[in-house]
Amino acid sequence: AQSVTQLDSQVPVFEEAPVELRCNYSSSVSVYLFWYVQYPNQGLQLLLKYLSGSTLVESINGFEAEFNKSQTSFHLRKPSVHISDTAEYFCAVVSGNTGKLIFGQGTTLQVKP
Amino acid sequence: DTAVSQTPKYLVTQMGNDKSIKCEQNLGHDTMYWYKQDSKKFLKIMFSYNNKELIINETVPNRFSPKSPDKAHLNLHINSLELGDSAVYFCASSQDEAEAFFGQGTRLTVV
Repeated sequence: AQSVTQLDSQVPVFEEAPVELRCNYSSSVSVYLFWYVQYPNQGLQLLLKYLSGSTLVESINGFEAEFNKSQTSFHLRKPSVHISDTAEYFCAVVSGNTGKLIFGQGTTLQVKP
Repeated sequence: DTAVSQTPKYLVTQMGNDKSIKCEQNLGHDTMYWYKQDSKKFLKIMFSYNNKELIINETVPNRFSPKSPDKAHLNLHINSLELGDSAVYFCASSQDEAEAFFGQGTRLTVV
Protein backbone atom coordinates (compact mmCIF):
# COMPACT_ATOMS: atom_id res chain seq x y z
CA ALA A 1 0.00 0.00 0.00
CA GLN A 2 1.13 3.51 -0.70
CA SER A 3 1.96 5.83 2.16
CA VAL A 4 3.43 9.28 2.72
CA THR A 5 5.55 10.36 5.66
CA GLN A 6 6.30 13.96 6.50
CA LEU A 7 9.21 13.82 8.85
CA ASP A 8 8.63 17.11 10.68
CA SER A 9 5.35 18.04 12.31
CA GLN A 10 6.47 21.63 12.97
CA VAL A 11 9.17 23.76 11.41
CA PRO A 12 9.81 27.15 13.01
CA VAL A 13 12.02 29.45 10.95
CA PHE A 14 12.91 33.13 10.85
CA GLU A 15 11.83 35.34 8.00
CA GLU A 16 14.20 35.33 5.00
CA ALA A 17 15.83 32.08 6.14
CA PRO A 18 15.81 28.99 3.90
CA VAL A 19 13.51 26.10 4.71
CA GLU A 20 13.10 22.45 3.76
CA LEU A 21 10.01 20.40 4.49
CA ARG A 22 10.69 16.71 4.15
CA CYS A 23 8.45 14.15 2.51
CA ASN A 24 9.04 10.46 1.85
CA TYR A 25 6.66 8.13 0.09
CA SER A 26 6.37 4.40 -0.38
CA SER A 27 5.04 2.99 -3.60
CA SER A 28 5.81 0.06 -5.85
CA VAL A 29 4.46 1.77 -8.93
CA SER A 30 4.92 5.04 -10.74
CA VAL A 31 3.82 7.95 -8.63
CA TYR A 32 2.31 11.34 -9.03
CA LEU A 33 3.36 13.60 -6.16
CA PHE A 34 1.89 16.83 -4.86
CA TRP A 35 2.43 19.51 -2.27
CA TYR A 36 -0.67 21.29 -1.02
CA VAL A 37 -0.76 24.33 1.27
CA GLN A 38 -3.50 25.15 3.74
CA TYR A 39 -3.60 28.68 5.12
CA PRO A 40 -5.46 29.16 8.43
CA ASN A 41 -9.18 28.41 8.14
CA GLN A 42 -8.94 27.88 4.41
CA GLY A 43 -9.08 24.99 1.97
CA LEU A 44 -6.17 23.24 0.34
CA GLN A 45 -4.40 24.86 -2.59
CA LEU A 46 -2.02 23.07 -4.91
CA LEU A 47 1.52 24.37 -4.48
CA LEU A 48 3.29 22.15 -7.01
CA LYS A 49 3.16 18.73 -8.57
CA TYR A 50 5.35 16.08 -10.15
CA LEU A 51 3.70 13.95 -12.81
CA SER A 52 6.61 13.16 -15.13
CA GLY A 53 9.55 14.81 -16.85
CA SER A 54 11.94 17.09 -14.98
CA THR A 55 12.46 15.95 -11.42
CA LEU A 56 12.71 19.54 -10.19
CA VAL A 57 9.38 21.36 -10.09
CA GLU A 58 8.74 24.94 -9.09
CA SER A 59 5.81 27.01 -7.87
CA ILE A 60 5.04 30.61 -8.74
CA ASN A 61 5.82 31.83 -5.22
CA GLY A 62 9.38 30.55 -4.96
CA PHE A 63 8.93 27.02 -3.63
CA GLU A 64 10.52 24.06 -5.37
CA ALA A 65 10.53 20.32 -4.85
CA GLU A 66 12.70 17.57 -6.24
CA PHE A 67 11.49 14.10 -7.02
CA ASN A 68 14.16 11.61 -5.98
CA LYS A 69 13.18 8.12 -7.01
CA SER A 70 16.14 6.33 -5.40
CA GLN A 71 15.44 7.96 -2.03
CA THR A 72 11.65 7.95 -2.52
CA SER A 73 11.54 11.57 -1.47
CA PHE A 74 9.84 14.75 -2.61
CA HIS A 75 11.20 17.43 -0.28
CA LEU A 76 9.91 21.00 -0.50
CA ARG A 77 12.34 23.92 -0.32
CA LYS A 78 12.33 27.67 -0.37
CA PRO A 79 15.53 29.74 -0.24
CA SER A 80 13.96 32.66 1.63
CA VAL A 81 10.63 32.49 3.44
CA HIS A 82 8.15 35.26 4.19
CA ILE A 83 5.75 35.72 7.06
CA SER A 84 2.94 35.01 4.59
CA ASP A 85 4.29 31.48 4.05
CA THR A 86 3.08 30.51 7.52
CA ALA A 87 0.69 27.64 6.86
CA GLU A 88 0.18 23.90 6.96
CA TYR A 89 1.89 21.98 4.16
CA PHE A 90 0.77 18.57 2.99
CA CYS A 91 2.63 16.14 0.79
CA ALA A 92 0.44 13.69 -1.11
CA VAL A 93 0.63 10.84 -3.59
CA VAL A 94 -2.07 9.66 -5.98
CA SER A 95 -3.07 6.08 -5.33
CA GLY A 96 -3.83 3.85 -8.29
CA ASN A 97 -5.96 5.20 -11.14
CA THR A 98 -8.81 6.60 -9.10
CA GLY A 99 -7.24 9.96 -8.36
CA LYS A 100 -7.46 9.21 -4.65
CA LEU A 101 -4.90 11.25 -2.70
CA ILE A 102 -2.97 9.78 0.21
CA PHE A 103 -1.72 12.57 2.42
CA GLY A 104 1.15 12.87 4.82
CA GLN A 105 0.51 14.06 8.35
CA GLY A 106 1.22 17.67 7.47
CA THR A 107 3.99 20.07 8.49
CA THR A 108 3.25 23.37 10.19
CA LEU A 109 5.59 26.03 8.86
CA GLN A 110 5.79 28.94 11.27
CA VAL A 111 7.73 31.93 9.99
CA LYS A 112 8.85 34.33 12.70
CA PRO A 113 9.80 37.98 12.18
CA ASP B 1 -15.90 32.11 -10.16
CA THR B 2 -15.34 29.55 -7.43
CA ALA B 3 -14.17 26.25 -8.92
CA VAL B 4 -15.31 23.97 -6.08
CA SER B 5 -17.85 25.40 -3.70
CA GLN B 6 -19.35 23.74 -0.67
CA THR B 7 -22.02 24.87 1.75
CA PRO B 8 -22.34 25.56 4.54
CA LYS B 9 -18.92 26.73 5.67
CA TYR B 10 -19.77 26.19 9.33
CA LEU B 11 -22.26 23.77 10.81
CA VAL B 12 -23.00 23.40 14.52
CA THR B 13 -25.54 20.78 15.47
CA GLN B 14 -26.59 18.49 18.28
CA MET B 15 -25.86 14.81 18.60
CA GLY B 16 -28.42 12.63 16.91
CA ASN B 17 -29.36 15.16 14.26
CA ASP B 18 -29.18 14.58 10.50
CA LYS B 19 -27.36 17.10 8.35
CA SER B 20 -26.21 17.57 4.75
CA ILE B 21 -23.28 19.29 3.13
CA LYS B 22 -23.50 20.29 -0.50
CA CYS B 23 -20.72 20.52 -3.07
CA GLU B 24 -20.64 21.78 -6.63
CA GLN B 25 -17.80 22.07 -9.13
CA ASN B 26 -17.79 24.09 -12.35
CA LEU B 27 -14.57 22.65 -13.76
CA GLY B 28 -16.18 19.95 -15.86
CA HIS B 29 -14.30 17.24 -13.95
CA ASP B 30 -15.53 13.67 -13.99
CA THR B 31 -14.45 12.73 -10.47
CA MET B 32 -15.45 14.21 -7.12
CA TYR B 33 -14.37 13.34 -3.60
CA TRP B 34 -15.10 13.87 0.06
CA TYR B 35 -12.18 14.09 2.46
CA LYS B 36 -12.27 14.37 6.23
CA GLN B 37 -9.72 16.41 8.19
CA ASP B 38 -9.62 15.53 11.86
CA SER B 39 -8.59 17.64 14.83
CA LYS B 40 -4.94 16.75 14.24
CA LYS B 41 -5.28 18.03 10.68
CA PHE B 42 -4.90 14.57 9.20
CA LEU B 43 -6.66 14.24 5.84
CA LYS B 44 -8.28 11.02 4.72
CA ILE B 45 -10.50 10.20 1.80
CA MET B 46 -14.06 9.10 2.50
CA PHE B 47 -15.74 8.72 -0.90
CA SER B 48 -15.15 9.22 -4.57
CA TYR B 49 -17.60 9.38 -7.44
CA ASN B 50 -16.80 9.20 -11.13
CA ASN B 51 -19.59 10.36 -13.42
CA LYS B 52 -22.17 9.81 -10.70
CA GLU B 53 -20.90 6.32 -9.87
CA LEU B 54 -19.39 5.45 -6.51
CA ILE B 55 -15.82 4.23 -6.97
CA ILE B 56 -14.29 4.64 -3.53
CA ASN B 57 -15.88 3.99 -0.16
CA GLU B 58 -13.23 3.96 2.51
CA THR B 59 -14.99 1.97 5.25
CA VAL B 60 -16.98 4.97 6.34
CA PRO B 61 -19.91 4.27 8.72
CA ASN B 62 -23.28 3.74 7.04
CA ARG B 63 -24.50 6.92 8.69
CA PHE B 64 -22.60 8.76 5.95
CA SER B 65 -24.31 8.64 2.58
CA PRO B 66 -22.97 10.49 -0.44
CA LYS B 67 -25.25 11.35 -3.33
CA SER B 68 -24.30 12.56 -6.78
CA PRO B 69 -27.30 13.84 -8.77
CA ASP B 70 -25.00 14.74 -11.66
CA LYS B 71 -21.28 14.85 -12.21
CA ALA B 72 -21.02 18.47 -11.07
CA HIS B 73 -22.54 17.81 -7.65
CA LEU B 74 -21.61 15.55 -4.75
CA ASN B 75 -23.53 15.95 -1.52
CA LEU B 76 -22.83 14.33 1.81
CA HIS B 77 -25.65 13.38 4.15
CA ILE B 78 -24.89 12.34 7.70
CA ASN B 79 -27.47 10.61 9.91
CA SER B 80 -27.50 10.40 13.68
CA LEU B 81 -24.52 12.67 14.18
CA GLU B 82 -21.99 11.72 16.85
CA LEU B 83 -19.41 13.79 18.71
CA GLY B 84 -16.65 12.02 16.79
CA ASP B 85 -18.01 13.31 13.51
CA SER B 86 -16.75 16.77 14.39
CA ALA B 87 -14.17 17.62 11.76
CA VAL B 88 -13.60 19.68 8.64
CA TYR B 89 -15.04 18.05 5.53
CA PHE B 90 -13.53 18.91 2.17
CA CYS B 91 -15.03 18.35 -1.22
CA ALA B 92 -12.67 18.05 -4.18
CA SER B 93 -12.73 17.29 -7.89
CA SER B 94 -10.21 16.14 -10.44
CA GLN B 95 -9.88 14.94 -14.00
CA ASP B 96 -8.06 11.62 -14.49
CA GLU B 97 -5.09 11.50 -12.11
CA ALA B 98 -4.25 15.16 -12.32
CA GLU B 99 -4.34 17.56 -9.40
CA ALA B 100 -7.39 17.76 -7.22
CA PHE B 101 -9.13 21.08 -6.62
CA PHE B 102 -10.51 21.53 -3.14
CA GLY B 103 -13.40 23.48 -1.73
CA GLN B 104 -13.02 25.76 1.27
CA GLY B 105 -14.20 23.11 3.70
CA THR B 106 -17.16 22.71 6.05
CA ARG B 107 -16.34 22.83 9.73
CA LEU B 108 -18.80 20.51 11.44
CA THR B 109 -19.14 20.75 15.20
CA VAL B 110 -21.35 18.25 16.98
CA VAL B 111 -22.35 19.23 20.51
